[in-house]
Amino acid sequence: QVTLKESGPVLVKPTETLTLTCTVSGFSLSNARMGVSWIRQPPGKALEWLAHIFSNDEKSYSTSLKSRLTISKDTSKSQVVLTMTNMDPVDTATYYCARSPRWGPFDYWGQGTLVTVSS
Amino acid sequence: EIVLTQSPDFQSVTPKEKVTITCRASQSIGSSLHWYQQKPDQSPKLLIKYASQSFSGVPSRFSGSGSGTDFTLTINSLEAEDAATYYCHQSSSLPGTFGQGTKVEIK
Repeated sequence: QVTLKESGPVLVKPTETLTLTCTVSGFSLSNARMGVSWIRQPPGKALEWLAHIFSNDEKSYSTSLKSRLTISKDTSKSQVVLTMTNMDPVDTATYYCARSPRWGPFDYWGQGTLVTVSS
Repeated sequence: EIVLTQSPDFQSVTPKEKVTITCRASQSIGSSLHWYQQKPDQSPKLLIKYASQSFSGVPSRFSGSGSGTDFTLTINSLEAEDAATYYCHQSSSLPGTFGQGTKVEIK
């Protein structure tokens, strides 16, 4: 059974750095086919893709947010970590991690974690 | 970056009616187009992958078609449980992109 679960702070202050963790089970991050993306959704708005990490540790980032994002993984812990620097209230959103075989569809999603940016 | 534009943004539909949602890509993406359903306060769920392949467990009333730049999601005989927002997503190239979403309301 494939599952993904996001964890991290529910509230961060402006200018702070956000660190989110996606813990996966039911598949291995070292599997040659598997990658994981982070996607966010501001309240009432559309989905926005943020970053992806491939099985070979290659990474890709949103063009508009590239300077603020870092994605990494710890295969032994089955975790994918996203950091976003210099948080702003407009970054308030539900953050999802999702599995993507061979950079294809997102076939399994986490439940999402709501992050609010406020002083 | 490939831009995906969905139409319409909103649709109010009677049960058993047929629903058609389109997704247009700003450049050719082959068949690397996927559709998701998101109900309120839930994570998105994959419905259709690679334009026309149904994902496991998805009801047969959902189907997809298209290639290149124009794609369609069809819901035959809409049911009340299909009230949701539907998104398209392309994996033809990086960065990944989503459409703006189409909200389907049941009359």
